[in-house]
Amino acid sequence: GQNIDQPTEMTATEGAIVQINCTYQTSGFNGLFWYQQHAGEAPTFLSYNVLDGLEEKGRFSSFLSRSKGYSYLLLKELQMKDSASYLCAGMDSNYQLIWGAGTKLIIKP
Amino acid sequence: NAGVTQTPKFRVLKTGQSMTLLCAQDMNHEYMYWYRQDPGMGLRLIHYSVGEGTTAKGEVPDGYNVSRLKKQNFLLGLESAAPSQTSVYFCASSLLAGDVGELFFGEGSRLTVL
Repeated sequence: GQNIDQPTEMTATEGAIVQINCTYQTSGFNGLFWYQQHAGEAPTFLSYNVLDGLEEKGRFSSFLSRSKGYSYLLLKELQMKDSASYLCAGMDSNYQLIWGAGTKLIIKP
Repeated sequence: NAGVTQTPKFRVLKTGQSMTLLCAQDMNHEYMYWYRQDPGMGLRLIHYSVGEGTTAKGEVPDGYNVSRLKKQNFLLGLESAAPSQTSVYFCASSLLAGDVGELFFGEGSRLTVL
């Protein structure tokens, strides 16, 4: 079956670095996505990886290893506004997105 | 710059009642989707549309119907609401098939069925 696993909750300190991991099993693979969702709001797109390696976008970076079925989202210089849920989603061979349950990130001062 | 707009934002129904959620997008996107989001679970696709006049079933279509009569609008209907349909519903759109992963979401509609 198809499955996305990510931790339920993580806590980090303002100004620090945090890595949110995601493992995936999909029928075929057409990319791995990360979305940010603040409480009570809509998800917003953060990143897309289809090739192995690290994609950097400002304070956020996303990594993919297709051989390991693994991705992570790296957040640097954490700010209080980064408190949100981070959703990992894999795209299968039919271009359907399979979503993880999300990782709730709590930032403490 | 509205993007994706959902109405209503909140609704309380009694079991057996019907209702329609409206989604409108002003980005000229071909693809539109309806998802539901429940605590502890990932987003689940209810129905989607690849263009005006077309609809298809997603992962959890039972109890829902959809229509896409105009390109900019995607309606989600509940004919006979059940408590299991209590959820937050998100509409989303994307430009083309190759971009289906980058979705633009509406603000969500919180539905409670008593």
